[in-house]
Amino acid sequence: GAVVSQHPSWVICKSGTSVKIECRSLDFQATTMFWYRQFPKQSLMLMATSNEGSKATYEQGVEKDKFLINHASLTLSTLTVTSAHPEDSSFYICSARGEQGGTEAFFGQGTRLTVV
Amino acid sequence: QKEVEQDPGPLSVPEGAIVSLNCTYSNSAFQYFMWYRQYSRKGPELLMYTYSSGNKEDGRFTAQVDKSSKYISLFIRDSQPSDSATYLCAMSVMNRDDKIIFGKGTRLHILP
Repeated sequence: GAVVSQHPSWVICKSGTSVKIECRSLDFQATTMFWYRQFPKQSLMLMATSNEGSKATYEQGVEKDKFLINHASLTLSTLTVTSAHPEDSSFYICSARGEQGGTEAFFGQGTRLTVV
Repeated sequence: QKEVEQDPGPLSVPEGAIVSLNCTYSNSAFQYFMWYRQYSRKGPELLMYTYSSGNKEDGRFTAQVDKSSKYISLFIRDSQPSDSATYLCAMSVMNRDDKIIFGKGTRLHILP
């Protein structure tokens, strides 16, 4: 299957600072990338969908000014958590869907964010 | 009614048993069906995908889709302790711009 690399795998930051998470498709061009949040023992919660070169589409209840998503190229999308607070601590996962093949998406390894 | 229903488990079975994981869905527009496996603190890994009714086999895994009943299954033969994970079903309309809808995931424990 296709490879999606997410970085960093874990990060600890202070309240009020911003954190950037990168998601790269290594061997295919990702026309669409999805960002999810997952709480312990819970399912994936879709935060936003981004298409290369256009603004991300956020799910209801997700603050677009707090969770900034950039999909500037066909292989890279970034999620920036701005002015992080302890309640933002969670597991963030990206997935990517390519322009070739079917509608399946491939996931990154996830980023565990802890805000202290 | 939620679009995709999946029993969260946990499901515990002895090593070597056949495991059956299931999901039901309500949206008849779904045409593309996937199963993902997620180990603790890792991203989901795509196991199987199919877009037609019937069975698709890959090694010890068989994915089954029954569109008339809006029911999909994943069977694991000769289950191993390493199969212990959370299994998520997922589905999508046959439109590449459409979002993928996930089940809540079933936690599976294979007992040695």
